[in-house]
Amino acid sequence: EPEVTQTPSHQVTQMGQEVILRCVPISNHLYFYWYRQILGQKVEFLVSFYNNEISEKSEIFDDQFSVERPDGSNFTLKIRSTKLEDSAMYFCASNRDLYGYTFGSGTRLTVV
Amino acid sequence: QKEVEQDPGPLSVPEGAIVSLNCTYSNSAFQYFMWYRQYSRKGPELLMYTYSSGNKEDGRFTAQVDKSSKYISLFIRDSQPSDSATYLCALGGTSGSRLTFGEGTQLTVNP
Repeated sequence: EPEVTQTPSHQVTQMGQEVILRCVPISNHLYFYWYRQILGQKVEFLVSFYNNEISEKSEIFDDQFSVERPDGSNFTLKIRSTKLEDSAMYFCASNRDLYGYTFGSGTRLTVV
Repeated sequence: QKEVEQDPGPLSVPEGAIVSLNCTYSNSAFQYFMWYRQYSRKGPELLMYTYSSGNKEDGRFTAQVDKSSKYISLFIRDSQPSDSATYLCALGGTSGSRLTFGEGTQLTVNP
């Protein structure tokens, strides 16, 4: 069964450093998303991406965040200057239609 | 009022029990309704999807939607220890739209 692949599975970074989280969505999907889940809290939407541009973003997705689809397969989330409160699980998701909304296994980001 | 409310539990049942998990929502714009299962520190795994009021069955799982009451349920029949996980309801508007999640209900099925 097709999967959304995320790398790395765990990243530790120092406060103020830039991080890039990587995702390979399912190949024939059209919509791409990033969500995050702070430990013990609900899954929260960050941003959606369609046709090579951001289609929607939440209030969490401020200027320190950016997304890119640099080629036909990868989808990245960059956090420019990490803060302690950015520590969370970050999930990439993709879908083509209403039925196929699939999440990756996540990247656990720890900011120290 | 929260857009989606879900009792976080924890819920503990004996093996073989019927489990009922529920969410309520306030926004009539939600058009499709999903249930995900999440194991600790893993990604949500899609279990059930529905977009209309009524019941949808898949094996031991039944998803129920009542749009008039803004209430959705997931029933698990003959629950197994392997069903122990956190169950998340997630609601969306259209194909490319965000999902809004409930808090998740932590379920433990005891052998």
